Amino acid sequence: ETGVTQSPTHLIKTRGQQVTLRCSSQSGHNTVSWYQQALGQGPQFIFQYYREEENGRGNFPPRFSGLQFPNYSSELNVNALELDDSALYLCASSLGQGRQETQYFGPGTRLLVL
Amino acid sequence: AQSVTQLGSHVSVSEGALVLLRCNYSSSVPPYLFWYVQYPNQGLQLLLKYTSAATLVKGINGFEAEFKKSETSFHLTKPSAHMSDAAEYFCAVAIFSSGSARQLTFGSGTQLTVLP
Repeated sequence: ETGVTQSPTHLIKTRGQQVTLRCSSQSGHNTVSWYQQALGQGPQFIFQYYREEENGRGNFPPRFSGLQFPNYSSELNVNALELDDSALYLCASSLGQGRQETQYFGPGTRLLVL
Repeated sequence: AQSVTQLGSHVSVSEGALVLLRCNYSSSVPPYLFWYVQYPNQGLQLLLKYTSAATLVKGINGFEAEFKKSETSFHLTKPSAHMSDAAEYFCAVAIFSSGSARQLTFGSGTQLTVLP
């Protein structure tokens, strides 16, 4: 158990819809990262939030957005869903910004876009 | 650019045999390296990490990895495989991406099968 939870566990949407995924970080962890893991691949970095501000983004379009709240929870929002957005979405929390800091992953939300 | 390459997308071993999962890295700065395990329909669990304190790193469940700078490798080993080790294993390097964000860049994964 990493102390990181995500909801929902599974979700089915249709193309063009919008979706919100939620994550609850470990208490005290001020950094949350989101990753997309397509079937058969390693996770890909979407973005990171530190103290409620986005402080870095991977190669994902602006229709992927997020929020981080003071209570260590966060959201990933995806607008105008496309079929290729079908994937496992993982959030990871960590304490601090050092490269050596461990990122603790939640169980993920599996999104299917039809 | 920093990256990791995992050699062998599938590895099969017999129960009780040595497990060796290969990871090579590319980095222009001293790397911080991680091994994660993913069981079916679950998230990622940290096995071990290298942060320059010691080249031989011991992790959970009997796994260990050795950092070899001359070979740019960080291979994962376990002396004796157990059926419960069957899972997907990911090697990752921590880098600074855009802004001040620190991200993990993952390899493509190695699926470990343990045969009875």
